[in-house]
Amino acid sequence: AQSVTQPDIHITVSEGASLELRCNYSYGATPYLFWYVQSPGQGLQLLLKYFSGDTLVQGIKGFEAEFKRSQSSFNLRKPSVHWSDAAEYFCAVGDWEAGGSYIPTFGRGTSLIVHP
Amino acid sequence: DTEVTQTPKHLVMGMTNKKSLKCEQHMGHRAMYWYKQKAKKPPELMFVYSYEKLSINESVPSRFSPECPNSSLLNLHLHALQPEDSALYLCASSQDAGEHYEQYFGPGTRLTVT
Repeated sequence: AQSVTQPDIHITVSEGASLELRCNYSYGATPYLFWYVQSPGQGLQLLLKYFSGDTLVQGIKGFEAEFKRSQSSFNLRKPSVHWSDAAEYFCAVGDWEAGGSYIPTFGRGTSLIVHP
Repeated sequence: DTEVTQTPKHLVMGMTNKKSLKCEQHMGHRAMYWYKQKAKKPPELMFVYSYEKLSINESVPSRFSPECPNSSLLNLHLHALQPEDSALYLCASSQDAGEHYEQYFGPGTRLTVT
């Protein structure tokens, strides 16, 4: 079965510093990978996704992620963090469920704290 | 319009009450989903509707009853809930339930069961 590991529960960075959030997946075939962001009390917003092709994926809000098959990783990066980036970040891998629907399996999330 | 709307935003209900959560999208999506999310946890899938038919029920207790009256609307009927059912309930939709379609999430309904 597919799974996603986000090793860091919390990450603290200073505003303007660079950011990298880690995600490792376990999946037998080529994975479909996603990063979502959730602000407090809000729903999830898709930042970016990887299906195939270029392994460096650009997303919204200045985020990018790199798919590395050899490391089973899909880390999220941003060169300069803004205070508004403080949120919960979820990595997810998609897979077919028994009902014939393609469903994301979410990691436990990483909480990003931004210091002024 | 790329928005999924959910009403109400907040709901407080007693264990004997009956209430409903509503989700709506006008993106022409044919798959809709209910998730439950506890604090500091990832969303947990509850139900999937594909082309207005229930395709996945993740062993959810019968006190939660989903309904998809049409392709734009998804309801979750609640009855005899327990305090541990207090959570953020998220609705999502996607163009199709297949592998190339990402999910769009609503803002959620914060449910408190007293």
